[in-house]
Amino acid sequence: ILNVEQSPQSLHVQEGDSTNFTCSFPSSNFYALHWYRWETAKSPEALFVMTLNGDEKKKGRISATLNTKEGYSYLYIKGSQPEDSATYLCAFRRTDKLIFGTGTRLQVFP
Amino acid sequence: EAGVVQSPRYKIIEKKQPVAFWCNPISGHNTLYWYRQNLGQGPELLIRYENEEAVDDSQLPKDRFSAERLKGVDSTLKIQPAELGDSAVYLCASSWGRNTEAFFGQGTRLTVV
Repeated sequence: ILNVEQSPQSLHVQEGDSTNFTCSFPSSNFYALHWYRWETAKSPEALFVMTLNGDEKKKGRISATLNTKEGYSYLYIKGSQPEDSATYLCAFRRTDKLIFGTGTRLQVFP
Repeated sequence: EAGVVQSPRYKIIEKKQPVAFWCNPISGHNTLYWYRQNLGQGPELLIRYENEEAVDDSQLPKDRFSAERLKGVDSTLKIQPAELGDSAVYLCASSWGRNTEAFFGQGTRLTVV
């Protein structure tokens, strides 16, 4: 059984705060790590696909890092805005399988 | 370019009734996935198609669930008969190949009463 764990489960922050979440995954037979943002009533949107140990990716105010040796990835949001409110899912890819974590539900209050 | 299209968006049915979901993937995407997301859980793979062939259906409850992807394009997922525990969001996704980024539809939220 492959477990992908995300923490925290939910997070409430004020507009302007910076925040970060963690995704833990098995460190063996790693292929890729995906981050998705899923807003209510919309499709999950791909944020990053990360494949190399030490990878750092950035998209506007959102960035992510990857450590494949210890099996974790961090997602950072700088200066959170209400429109960042969503569930952030990570997914671990091992060969053909994409295994999702349970997500971190972020609520940003104005 | 249109994304992955799913219908219906919402469905409420009584238990023991049949239900079907439809998915139109992004044009040219060979790989199609059906996921189920239960409340408080991450999406779990039900079935994956490479063109019209189901290559991974190990998580599909075959006693009541069935799926097809005729001509390797659109796909339908059926439940017959539905049970209360089938209430979930059913997501369809597609990708160019099995190891490339998957693009998701908006999902169908099923409520079985």
